[in-house]
Parts: sequence; structure tokens; C-alpha cells
Amino acid sequence: DIQMTQSPSSVSASVGDRITITCRASQDISSWLGWYQQKPGKAPNLLIFAVSSLQSGVPSRFSGSGSGTDFTLTISSLQPEDFGTYFCQQANSFPYTFGQGTTLEIK
Amino acid sequence: QITLKESGPTLVKPTQTLTLTCTFSGFSLTNSGVGVGWIRQPPGKALEWLALIYWTDNKRYSPSLKNRLTITKDTSKNQVVLSVTNLDPVDTATYYCAHSTVFYDSSGYYSYFNYWGQGTLVTVSS
Repeated sequence: DIQMTQSPSSVSASVGDRITITCRASQDISSWLGWYQQKPGKAPNLLIFAVSSLQSGVPSRFSGSGSGTDFTLTISSLQPEDFGTYFCQQANSFPYTFGQGTTLEIK
Repeated sequence: QITLKESGPTLVKPTQTLTLTCTFSGFSLTNSGVGVGWIRQPPGKALEWLALIYWTDNKRYSPSLKNRLTITKDTSKNQVVLSVTNLDPVDTATYYCAHSTVFYDSSGYYSYFNYWGQGTLVTVSS
């Protein structure tokens, strides 16, 4: 199985800050990488697919980059509603795997 | 508007079989490039992908559950059913079904989950 490792595990930032979350795959997954946001008690919400394609309705302050094994999710200007846990997912090969999550707290 | 909703028991005894139904609307599993998957999340933990069924009726399963999973679809009812046999307390989790827009080429299928049900918490306990 491909292991997905996220860092940091948690981050606290202020409104307006720029934050970056990293996801590393244990082997090359090309560009088959997605990012999800999950709020407490809710289902995950797809933000980005294929590394950098924004899902419909997702604000443009979210962006993704990377290829191969190293990927990043960036929020350019943090908003209060961006709190929650972020997960990466590789779609390159079965079984699909998710990162362990990064919890974002707004100061 | 695409919606999905999971239904099934909330409490199951160890060794029993869990059967969950995902009822959806706003799309058809007969349309090319569509899939429905199941993902679970133990309390306070990460997401775990379980199974996926495609418009072609092709199916993929997580090997870690070692042949305990069966996924089927009923296109006339707009439903996908997941069965999990031989339950154990470690199977306690919120189970989600999710719509997938499937990318495919000569190398295979690639899926992200772009619409999710609300999830259903299943507790395995005697």
C-alpha cells in the first residue's frame, strides 16, 4: 500500500495568514492527489483533485502543487471558516489511501 | 443536485454481518465515468477507503479487509449496498458513501470523492 504522510499534524494560525500543509507519498503517485477538508461531525469535502484542480465552488485562496511524491496545499489568506482537518488522498493505485490529517485551528 | 444517504444498523454484535445501503439521487450509476465508494472513519481517526463500484459494474476492494467486503449496485433503485462480514469492535466507525467522478485511461481508473453522504456511525459491541 502507498503510505501518505502529512505534516504538520496540527497548526494554529491567524486570519489572513498564509499556511501550507505537506503530503508525502511513499512512492510515486504522479499527479493523482486530492485534498479534502473535514469539519467536526461532518463528512469530508473535496477541495482539490489532480494536485491543483479546484473543485467547483471552492474559494480560490486554496491551491495545490507538487508531483511524484511531494505535494502541498496552500491557503493564501486564512479565513475563519477554514478551521477543520485536512486530508490528502492518493488515487494512483489501489488501495486508495489517505493521510492521517492536519488539524487547522484559527487563533 | 447530487445527494447520498447511508442507512443501516447503528449497533451490531461481533461476528455478525453489517449491511449498509447508500441511496442516492442526482446522478445515475449507468452513466460513464461515475462510481460510488465507501469510506469509513473510526472515532477521532483518519479516513479509510473500503470499496468502489463503477458504472461498468467493476468493483475494487481494500485488501486489508481480507475478503470481508461485498459491494453491489441496484441501478433501478439508485442504491449501492456494502456488506461487511465477521464484524469486530475495531470496525466501529462512521461509514460514508460517496460519489466519484472517475478519470480513466489505458492504465486504469482514478477516483476522487466529490459528493459525500452524511455518514452513519456503526458501533460493534456485544
